[in-house]
Amino acid sequence: EPEVTQTPSHQVTQMGQEVILRCVPISNHLYFYWYRQILGQKVEFLVSFYNNEISEKSEIFDDQFSVERPDGSNFTLKIRSTKLEDSAMYFCASTTDRVNEKLFFGSGTQLSVL
Amino acid sequence: DQQVKQNSPSLSVQEGRISILNCDYTNSMFDYFLWYKKYPAEGPTFLISISSIKDKNEDGRFTVFLNKSAKHLSLHIVPSQPGDSAVYFCAASAYTGNQFYFGTGTSLTVIP
Repeated sequence: EPEVTQTPSHQVTQMGQEVILRCVPISNHLYFYWYRQILGQKVEFLVSFYNNEISEKSEIFDDQFSVERPDGSNFTLKIRSTKLEDSAMYFCASTTDRVNEKLFFGSGTQLSVL
Repeated sequence: DQQVKQNSPSLSVQEGRISILNCDYTNSMFDYFLWYKKYPAEGPTFLISISSIKDKNEDGRFTVFLNKSAKHLSLHIVPSQPGDSAVYFCAASAYTGNQFYFGTGTSLTVIP
């Protein structure tokens, strides 16, 4: 069964450093998402991406965050200058069709900012 | 603003009995609801969904009920099995939007 792949599974970084989280969505999917879950809290929406542009973003997704689909298969989330509060599990998700279609999630990247 | 709420952080059920997980939402524009199951160190996996045009959807041991007037949905698992022990997230979306809103999750423990 096709799956969403995320790398790395764990990322430790120093505060202020840039990190790039990588995702390979399922190949025929058109919509891509980043979500995150801070320990003990809900899964929070960060951004959705369709047709090579951001379609929606949350308040969390400020200027420190950016997304890119550089080569037609990878989907990346960049955090330019990490803060302690960025520590969370980051999930990539994709779906074929935004309307009434379930999301397929990757297994996540645990980001720890020290 | 918590648009999707799961008020029970945890639930314990004996194997073979029914598990009922509840979810409330506030946004009347939501028209599609999903339940996800999440094991530790894994991403959420889709379990079952329901459209707002229905009030019940069944898939094997899993049934989701939707009460639109009360803005409430529930997931019934019967019979519960130890392998069902996981965190269950309720999620909702609106046709007009591009995101899914998740609840905080309910940790289900099925006791053998």
